[in-house]
Amino acid sequence: QKEVEQNSGPLSVPEGAIASLNCTYSDRGSQSFFWYRQYSGKSPELIMFIYSNGDKEDGRFTAQLNKASQYVSLLIRDSQPSDSATYLCAQGGRGSTLGRLYFGRGTQLTVWP
Amino acid sequence: DTEVTQTPKHLVMGMTNKKSLKCEQHMGHRAMYWYKQKAKKPPELMFVYSYEKLSINESVPSRFSPECPNSSLLNLHLHALQPEDSALYLCASSQGGSALTDTQYFGPGTRLTVL
Repeated sequence: QKEVEQNSGPLSVPEGAIASLNCTYSDRGSQSFFWYRQYSGKSPELIMFIYSNGDKEDGRFTAQLNKASQYVSLLIRDSQPSDSATYLCAQGGRGSTLGRLYFGRGTQLTVWP
Repeated sequence: DTEVTQTPKHLVMGMTNKKSLKCEQHMGHRAMYWYKQKAKKPPELMFVYSYEKLSINESVPSRFSPECPNSSLLNLHLHALQPEDSALYLCASSQGGSALTDTQYFGPGTRLTVL
């Protein structure tokens, strides 16, 4: 059973701060991870994916993957009120489960002005 | 272009009605997905079509019937639904294949209410 654990929050940070969202996973063989942002009442929107150990940066977003410790995180620098949303961490399937995404519960982020 | 479209945006139906949800993508993707999402929960996978063949059915009740007429279209036929089926129904697509980076892109969803 693949499990993805996320702290559901809520996480509240002031505007301009760094928001840190974390996710742990149980399947040591997992290789691909995805971060989605979901505004209330809207559909999930892909932020980025990561499959190599280390950091991957895209604008204000940095995804970090540590396979030895089985965690993946998303850092949002210079947080803006428009970043307020639920962030979903997802683990990609492999082998017989290729094509599946295993979602965490999501972390609700609020950025206050 | 990473656009997946879904119609209708909202749907209200009675328990005896038959309706269909539609999804379309023109990205050349060969995998398409239906998800159900309840409030404050992550999306739950229902069905996966890969190269127009049903490859995953997550033991979904038969009152939900998927159809993939061609590689760009995906339908979800609804019949005799229950009030607990009220949810946001999401369609997604991806390139398919075995790449680790195969990424799913979601449509805007259909908000379904069953009375």
